[in-house]
Amino acid sequence: EAGVVQSPRYKIIEKKQPVAFWCNPISGHNTLYWYLQNLGQGPELLIRYENEEAVDDSQLPKDRFSAERLKGVDSTLKIQPAELGDSAVYLCASSMTGELFFGEGSRLTVL
Amino acid sequence: GEDVEQSLFLSVREGDSSVINCTYTDSSSTYLYWYKQEPGAGLQLLTYIFSNMDMKQDQRLTVLLNKKDKHLSLRIADTQTGDSAIYFCAESSYNTDKLIFGTGTRLQVFP
Repeated sequence: EAGVVQSPRYKIIEKKQPVAFWCNPISGHNTLYWYLQNLGQGPELLIRYENEEAVDDSQLPKDRFSAERLKGVDSTLKIQPAELGDSAVYLCASSMTGELFFGEGSRLTVL
Repeated sequence: GEDVEQSLFLSVREGDSSVINCTYTDSSSTYLYWYKQEPGAGLQLLTYIFSNMDMKQDQRLTVLLNKKDKHLSLRIADTQTGDSAIYFCAESSYNTDKLIFGTGTRLQVFP
């Protein structure tokens, strides 16, 4: 069974440019999460979806970050415009019965 | 708000036991988790414990929970070089599905 798939694995952009990350959860997992992991820190929740509905986006900086999960399956996370402080790993996770399964993450470097 | 704290670094000799400690502040925590993150990889759930339990053992892993002191520990018996990774403690509560992660403990196992 395929795990949570994320792309791209690595992205380097200049500040003020846009960037998008994609996540395909494990088949059948209704709940999808986007986490932000800064260097040397634990992951912090950005947004949680139940099917296509964002049920917790309280930690998502809505001035520059947006996310969507239109058909309740895969999801995209976008940053526009990116700032230097956005350099981090963006982790996607999915769950069906409570246990979270994480993807390998998308490492963003903003120059 | 909720807070989860861990020591940053632990170094042990191969074959010895490792004990990684975690403290948390949320008294309504219902589940406490231990995740492992190897370099460049996502987080892997190792084990979890329900808050009404004191101890859980799973092969080489032993989790101890002191709910009064809000202290959680993970003991790895017969530590191997393959156990070298960052270990994250996390907690969740009934009124939210959000996981709150600690900052992670880097375990280094030397021969």
